[in-house]
Amino acid sequence: LAKTTQPISMDSYEGQEVNITCSHNNIATNDYITWYQQFPSQGPRFIIQGYKTKVTNEVASLFIPADRKSSTLSLPRVSLSDTAVYYCLVGDPRGIKAAGNKLTFGGGTRVLVKP
Amino acid sequence: NAGVTQTPKFRILKIGQSMTLQCTQDMNHNYMYWYRQDPGMGLKLIYYSVGAGITDKGEVPNGYNVSRSTTEDFPLRLELAAPSQTSVYFCASNHPAGTHQPQHFGDGTRLSIL
Repeated sequence: LAKTTQPISMDSYEGQEVNITCSHNNIATNDYITWYQQFPSQGPRFIIQGYKTKVTNEVASLFIPADRKSSTLSLPRVSLSDTAVYYCLVGDPRGIKAAGNKLTFGGGTRVLVKP
Repeated sequence: NAGVTQTPKFRILKIGQSMTLQCTQDMNHNYMYWYRQDPGMGLKLIYYSVGAGITDKGEVPNGYNVSRSTTEDFPLRLELAAPSQTSVYFCASNHPAGTHQPQHFGDGTRLSIL
């Protein structure tokens, strides 16, 4: 399973755009990139998933360069309620068997949105 | 729509005691997972199951056991609780097929072993 590296923390202000980059140098051909959001005392929640180029939904955008060795989660115009930990997960969507029995979330990025 | 439900939400155990953390999902998902999350850290996979009657070890299985007798339920058992097992435990489920198959998580069980 591809090892991921993210910044430990980021601060931002309401209304700004937040960009979180995840490095995954040994991403495999079948791996997809998935981002989760976790609030205190809750389980992680799916935000967005992509394979290459750009993916956008109502919550965020995901930018993936051609070499796929990194990805950037973009949160437009954040609010105080976007304060959370964001996890980048790289794996094969065919399931955990293909991922070698490992699903590692890593430490995540703590985003603090200030007023 | 309940999703993934975990019970209890909190529990304090004494060293050497045993307990079972319950997890049930109503989405008819084949795959289910147990993770632990230590303070300030990411999630580590303990055990997973790809269907009823099939379980396998994850990254940190020592000290835990699981069973999967039905599609809906995936309990996690601690036989001899140790302080190192103080953590927050999350259960998750998903379908393996297709590209968009995020894991759905419960809200966790906070376990303290004293």
